[in-house]
Amino acid sequence: EADIYQTPRYLVIGTGKKITLECSQTMGHDKMYWYQQDPGMELHLIHYSYGVNSTEKGDLSSESTVSRIRTEHFPLTLESARPSHTSQYLCASSDFMGSRETQYFGPGTRLLVL
Amino acid sequence: GESVGLHLPTLSVQEGDNSIINCAYSNSASDYFIWYKQESGKGPQFIIDIRSNMDKRQGQRVTVLLNKTVKHLSLQIAATQPGDSAVYFCAEGRDSNYQLIWGAGTKLIIKP
Repeated sequence: EADIYQTPRYLVIGTGKKITLECSQTMGHDKMYWYQQDPGMELHLIHYSYGVNSTEKGDLSSESTVSRIRTEHFPLTLESARPSHTSQYLCASSDFMGSRETQYFGPGTRLLVL
Repeated sequence: GESVGLHLPTLSVQEGDNSIINCAYSNSASDYFIWYKQESGKGPQFIIDIRSNMDKRQGQRVTVLLNKTVKHLSLQIAATQPGDSAVYFCAEGRDSNYQLIWGAGTKLIIKP
């Protein structure tokens, strides 16, 4: 089982609120990722990081920001939540194992914006 | 653009039978392909991978087949069990970057 944690697991919040989704991993991985996923649908990369002080935007513009001040911590912030942000957010970290990069996922945060 | 997709959104299989989940991809430059399993309320979990220079790879009760001619990938699960109920995703990757391209999932339902 991967040592990657996300809090909160579930969040219901009103429109316009600022929220931060937490993600931590204890595996010492340099690379970390945030995905947005609607139920049963494909994962959309919204942010990633190659290491401390490195952050990049992914394919999906989600109006969110991330920071990577410590290797183990990669929080995602929504400055002003909207109903269109309702989704599941998955955090992952990866290392190169054998012949390919392997991503390990946290349990996800289910967000509902009213 | 590049895409990885699945043929069927839902697959129902009798317990004990073999399951075959299919995936089509469009980028012939991919270096490897990975199958992930996502159970309800959890993040995706790695099942098995295959390099682009291979045709077949076997794991415990699972086999992945790669047909580069038609850009098709399949996951075979032998003797399907109730615990195999999940959504299965294929993803492709390149050695030149760390990002994966994900396809839409296939939900596997096990009939008792």
